[in-house]
Amino acid sequence: KNEVEQSPQNLTAQEGEFITINCSYSVGISALHWLQQHPGGGIVSLFMLSSGKKKHGRLIATINIQEKHSSLHITASHPRDSAVYICAFQGAQKLVFGQGTRLTINP
Amino acid sequence: EPEVTQTPSHQVTQMGQEVILRCVPISNHLYFYWYRQILGQKVEFLVSFYNNEISEKSEIFDDQFSVERPDGSNFTLKIRSTKLEDSAMYFCASSFLAGEDADTQYFGPGTRLTVL
Repeated sequence: KNEVEQSPQNLTAQEGEFITINCSYSVGISALHWLQQHPGGGIVSLFMLSSGKKKHGRLIATINIQEKHSSLHITASHPRDSAVYICAFQGAQKLVFGQGTRLTINP
Repeated sequence: EPEVTQTPSHQVTQMGQEVILRCVPISNHLYFYWYRQILGQKVEFLVSFYNNEISEKSEIFDDQFSVERPDGSNFTLKIRSTKLEDSAMYFCASSFLAGEDADTQYFGPGTRLTVL
């Protein structure tokens, strides 16, 4: 049983396209994280949110707590955005990760 | 900017051998974590550590695993007798807060463990 489901699993787009990655979770949570995993394996935290919307540069994250759903959007996508994007919900003392969405942006 | 560091970056060991993976969390953080990622799979929680004791652990974290904060800076994960299925990338992370007031967890670059 996956507590966190992401879609799509893989996404290929052209440079400049608007990207949306979706995340659904099955339990009540206090916060949800979006992270980026680089091809070399390193993990970087992008957002932590518990309600509404957050924006950082070309990245926007939204969450609907009642619907148990979050989205990550990338505007004006660029090849350097190619990575695995992971959502994870905040447990008491841990993060519970989704499978990740592999994003490839072609020039 | 402060960062979490991990050593070694890659460890190769024989099945049955003991390994110690080392991490230096961000200096003012209070909560420390180990996660692992088997190749091609999602990141899984192993253990969290606060105030010099384990605060939560997963089913994966059995008697073969132990964690320690031997001094004020290092945080280690020991696997007593490695198995082939322990081959994975191991990530250390730290945060200042956890639980209901949790904040961002900062991840180290990972240690790739290969068990032969």
